[in-house]
Amino acid sequence: DAGVTQSPTHLIKTRGQQVTLRCSPISGHKSVSWYQQVLGQGPQFIFQYYEKEERGRGNFPDRFSARQFPNYSSELNVNALLLGDSALYLCASSYRDLQYFGPGTRLTVT
Amino acid sequence: AQSVTQLDSQVPVFEEAPVELRCNYSSSVSVYLFWYVQYPNQGLQLLLKYLSGSTLVKGINGFEAEFNKSQTSFHLRKPSVHISDTAEYFCAVSVTPYSSASKIIFGSGTRLSIRP
Repeated sequence: DAGVTQSPTHLIKTRGQQVTLRCSPISGHKSVSWYQQVLGQGPQFIFQYYEKEERGRGNFPDRFSARQFPNYSSELNVNALLLGDSALYLCASSYRDLQYFGPGTRLTVT
Repeated sequence: AQSVTQLDSQVPVFEEAPVELRCNYSSSVSVYLFWYVQYPNQGLQLLLKYLSGSTLVKGINGFEAEFNKSQTSFHLRKPSVHISDTAEYFCAVSVTPYSSASKIIFGSGTRLSIRP
């Protein structure tokens, strides 16, 4: 079975631009969560979606938004990029209280 | 609110020596506990989990952890490490209010470096 997939794997953007990251959960998983991992730190929770509804939101500004589609895939959008948004963005799909992480998208903002 | 403290940011160990990575958590409600491993330039892989039952949990790659409720700890151990264990290790907790999925709160990580 395929695991959680994320695209793209790497991305370089300049300050002020907008970015969209994509995630496909494991087949049968209805929940997707997003995390930001800044270099040298643990992942920080951004969003959680279950059955296309937002179930949780971390302490991130409104520049960050997400949505979940009928096929349970998800997109994370970040507007007005700042240098501090440079990080590894991890997506996880959930089943019975276990989260399975994808390989991440490394975003570099210059 | 929940929090996780990993007491060591770096742990250098000689190959074939035992290792313990320490983790303490804080929570006013029951939690699920996890250890994840992250190899360079990769995502997170679940090493082991404590959901309920036996407090000694065995995971992949020969790792084990013990849940100690009175000390609010969940230390990770391996009796003999290998070069391939070099990675970043994250302790994490989650609280599930109902149904499926909950956010995970991670510690800041412990970098395990193995010396030959």
